[in-house]
This record gives sequence, structure tokens and C-alpha cells, in this order.
Amino acid sequence: DGGITQSPKYLFRKEGQNVTLSCEQNLNHDAMYWYRQDPGQGLRLIYYSQIVNDFQKGDIAEGYSVSREKKESFPLTVTSAQKNPTAFYLCASSHQGAQPQHFGDGTRLSIL
Amino acid sequence: ILNVEQSPQSLHVQEGDSTNFTCSFPSSNFYALHWYRWETAKSPEALFVMTLNGDEKKKGRISATLNTKEGYSYLYIKGSQPEDSATYLCAFIDNNDMRFGAGTRLTVKP
Repeated sequence: DGGITQSPKYLFRKEGQNVTLSCEQNLNHDAMYWYRQDPGQGLRLIYYSQIVNDFQKGDIAEGYSVSREKKESFPLTVTSAQKNPTAFYLCASSHQGAQPQHFGDGTRLSIL
Repeated sequence: ILNVEQSPQSLHVQEGDSTNFTCSFPSSNFYALHWYRWETAKSPEALFVMTLNGDEKKKGRISATLNTKEGYSYLYIKGSQPEDSATYLCAFIDNNDMRFGAGTRLTVKP
């Protein structure tokens, strides 16, 4: 079945450590997105990519990095520069234009 | 900066009640509006994609309307059921950007 897969579901990070969240889709979507959700807030866009080898910063890109070497994959690295990384992270993908986004199940990141 | 607001923030209704909530967005440079349902422990799922002023979409007991000139969309649920309990998100898309509202959290009590 086609879908979008995020891993791991739960992730723990020590302070000062970089961690990478995986996002893979087999929907043949051109566009992929990373969002962060904090309690009581909506989804905030971290980074997005509309084509392979290209990506743009969203509203809260500081302390994060991404790559888009393959159409199917859009990993997000939470760097040590991100001072408040504890949150729920959602990855999504879509066709171009006004098409709706398909979401993964999310990764919950916590600081030890 | 796009400002997308949803109201109310949360809503508690009895089974069988009909309910509605609002998504407000900028009235300029409109491209599309999405509604999503996000159930606990699941991922958000698209309900409606709305692109034209005056659009009305329906899926079962859920329907949505769109007014791009005044910058709002309503989501209606007729005869709410406990399985409708979820957070309902709207997302506004203009020529360059996409932004989600904070959502309306609906709880339907049996």
C-alpha cells in the first residue's frame, strides 16, 4: 500500500547531540514537508521541498537541517543548535498545487 | 505573515447535536483551503480541498463552505457521533505559502 512512513516513533536525545528523523514516501509525491507541533499550538512548518535537491526554510528552520537526495526521502536533522527540541514532529507529502497533504504518524522527540 | 485562526479552540457536544466551527484567513491572494481531521494517535487526514469562492463540499455528515471574499470557511457536522471526536485543522494556501490554523478540538459525549 502507498503511504508515508516516519521513524522512529519515539526518540530520546541527550543535550548537545544531533538526531535525524526519517521520512519516506512511496506515493510518488514531488513535495515533502516537516512540521513541528507543541502543546496547544498548530502545526508550524520547519522545512519543505518541492523537488529533489531543493528545499526551502519554513517559519522555524533555525536549529534544523534537511536533505532531499531522493524523491522518496526527506530526513530531518535536529541539531544541537535547536535549544528547545522537545516536540512532536510530523512529515507530510503531496503532489504540487492545491493538492492535500498526506501525513506520517509522527515522531515524538524528548530530551534526556 | 499569514494569519489563520480557528474558533472555537475546543468544543464539547452531546451525541446527536449538530455543530460548526470557523476558519478565518486573509482574503487576498487566495489559492486553496484544506480541512483535515486529526484523531488521537493517528495522522491528520484530508477532508476537503476548497478552491472556489462559494464552494460547498460534503462527505457524509460533514460539510464545508468557503467565502474567499470575506476570508472564512465553516465546517459543519450534522448529528455528531463519538467517532467524530478529533481535532479539525484548516490550512490556508496562497501563491507562496501554506499555513495551518491551531485547530478546533471536538469532543462528542455519548
